[in-house]
Amino acid sequence: GQNIDQPTEMTATEGAIVQINCTYQTSGFNGLFWYQQHAGEAPTFLSYNVLDGLEEKGRFSSFLSRSKGYSYLLLKELQMKDSASYLCAVRSHDYKLSFGAGTTVTVRA
Amino acid sequence: DAGITQSPRHKVTETGTPVTLRCHQTENHRYMYWYRQDPGHGLRLIHYSYGVKDTDKGEVSDGYSVSRSKTEDFLLTLESATSSQTSVYFCAISPDSNEQFFGPGTRLTVL
Repeated sequence: GQNIDQPTEMTATEGAIVQINCTYQTSGFNGLFWYQQHAGEAPTFLSYNVLDGLEEKGRFSSFLSRSKGYSYLLLKELQMKDSASYLCAVRSHDYKLSFGAGTTVTVRA
Repeated sequence: DAGITQSPRHKVTETGTPVTLRCHQTENHRYMYWYRQDPGHGLRLIHYSYGVKDTDKGEVSDGYSVSRSKTEDFLLTLESATSSQTSVYFCAISPDSNEQFFGPGTRLTVL
């Protein structure tokens, strides 16, 4: 099974940078995903890491260290619309996804 | 956006009644998933399908059954609804088990 931990809440100021950490313990690792979910809406895909290192996509970057069971999502130049819940998900060898409980990010003006 | 719809979007039912939720896709994706989302638990996999008539259990499958007789439809049935099944249910689809595209969700309340 999977045990996935991420902070419950974070607050940051518009224009700033926020880093959301995710740690996991897994019986079989086959990739890590980050999703964004606005209140009352469906999750949407942000990023995917299967190898160690940093993946950059515009203002969002995701990092993975498989040996440490650790990932982070970095949000730069924060905008009000980035206020949302961010979900870390680990895929196992049977291709099932296990999600963390999510981190609610509040961006303040 | 992926062509994925869920019906109904909202439902209130009583304990002990059967309930069926429908997920419909127009993308011809092979993989389909049912999740439930509850505060403090995140998304939890109920059942998934990797092809027509090919389904498997997820983390929280007790009390739920699924069927997939056509590529485009994946049905989730609660044979006898209980209050613990009050939740938001999301369907997701994927062409290759990588990125998953989620439907808009169904809010189910069991009284």
